[in-house]
Amino acid sequence: QSALTQPRSVSGSPGQSVTISCTGTSSDVGGYNYVTWYQQHPGKAPKRMIYDVSKRPSGVPDRFSGSKSGNTASLTISGLQAEDEGDYYCCSYAGSYTLIFGGGTKLTVL
Amino acid sequence: EVQVVESGGGLVQPGRSLRLSCTASGFTFGDYPISWFRQAPGKGLEWVGFIRVKAYGESTEFAASVKGRFSLSRDDSERIAYLQMNTLKTEDTAVYYCTRALGTMIVAVSDYWGQGALVTVSS
Repeated sequence: QSALTQPRSVSGSPGQSVTISCTGTSSDVGGYNYVTWYQQHPGKAPKRMIYDVSKRPSGVPDRFSGSKSGNTASLTISGLQAEDEGDYYCCSYAGSYTLIFGGGTKLTVL
Repeated sequence: EVQVVESGGGLVQPGRSLRLSCTASGFTFGDYPISWFRQAPGKGLEWVGFIRVKAYGESTEFAASVKGRFSLSRDDSERIAYLQMNTLKTEDTAVYYCTRALGTMIVAVSDYWGQGALVTVSS
């Protein structure tokens, strides 16, 4: 299994929208609706932001949304805020009861 | 408040063993799978493995990178899960996270994470 492909970095100004892509294959992202997005701030544990492709846990702002098309999942953050800055990781079920991560994307709020 | 706390990390020589503990509170421990992840210094997240609940035989699954060397167990009465790491390699150096997970046979989401335990494998 190869890691899922994410852009190494994205950036946006406060109030703008950004989208982070996560590309896999039909054996992982494309084959199942089990994509999770985690946010991680420096020195902190990851936090679940989106699960099952597009479900948002309670307490996560509705500025965060997830979607999937074919083998690519996407996380969109609208109305960017300074506290959104951090690393974002996608994670997908990859069959045979295994999980696979993307390499992570560093979001910078300009 | 849901909490999971890892302990047992430290410095260990290559080829040796180490056991991490995950102590939980704030939820019915036996109702949830426990999933473990790791993050090497300056690197991304990697899934390590998970253990299902008693109703699913406390069965386990592992990433290929640790299969055959790592094992998982749980003691629901004590609300503790264990990650036993044998034949450690330098590339196992990482912060190890214990998480409360969701699911039954497929355990694909973790909703609560501990703060992590650093394991350093070095001579």
